[in-house]
Amino acid sequence: GEDVEQSLFLSVREGDSSVINCTYTDSSSTYLYWYKQEPGAGLQLLTYIFSNMDMKQDQRLTVLLNKKDKHLSLRIADTQTGDSAIYFCAATFSGGYNKLIFGAGTRLAVHP
Amino acid sequence: GAVVSQHPSWVICKSGTSVKIECRSLDFQATTMFWYRQFPKQSLMLMATSNEGSKATYEQGVEKDKFLINHASLTLSTLTVTSAHPEDSSFYICSAIFSRHGTGEQFFGPGTRLTVL
Repeated sequence: GEDVEQSLFLSVREGDSSVINCTYTDSSSTYLYWYKQEPGAGLQLLTYIFSNMDMKQDQRLTVLLNKKDKHLSLRIADTQTGDSAIYFCAATFSGGYNKLIFGAGTRLAVHP
Repeated sequence: GAVVSQHPSWVICKSGTSVKIECRSLDFQATTMFWYRQFPKQSLMLMATSNEGSKATYEQGVEKDKFLINHASLTLSTLTVTSAHPEDSSFYICSAIFSRHGTGEQFFGPGTRLTVL
């Protein structure tokens, strides 16, 4: 079946850049999303990228998409302690209208 | 941005009772709502897709008689966990799609933590 995979844990120093990687299997995915979840809370959309784009930048966030390799990454510049959270990659699933397939989530820990 | 609310935010119930969770889109009409379940330190698992005025579409392995979904209006969907048991304890999150939002972005509620004793 369709699958989205992410590394589970990332630790970075405050002020450094963080790069979270994701791979997906559905080559027909139209949109790819990055969501942020803080403890005990729902999901907050950070950014998304359309499948015909290679890159999207939004302030400290940069999304890179390699459609050939079905690889997506999220770069957070100047990572702050407030960025500590779980980051989920999600891809639209061609078999269901607007259905999203989520990765397992990457826990980002930012230390001083 | 669009806001989705859930009520209650947490609930503790006895085994065998039924629990209803509400999901509301506060400032837009949602053509489609989704219900997810999230176990500790795990990803979101889609339970069902709910369209206003029609029956919900359940994912494989989700018992439709156990998890009743009603989408009576364009701003409200409810999930009822019937005859809840401890293994139903989980974090339930709903999301909604704003019909005019071309990206198909799902707006998520804050989640409801269910604990069954």
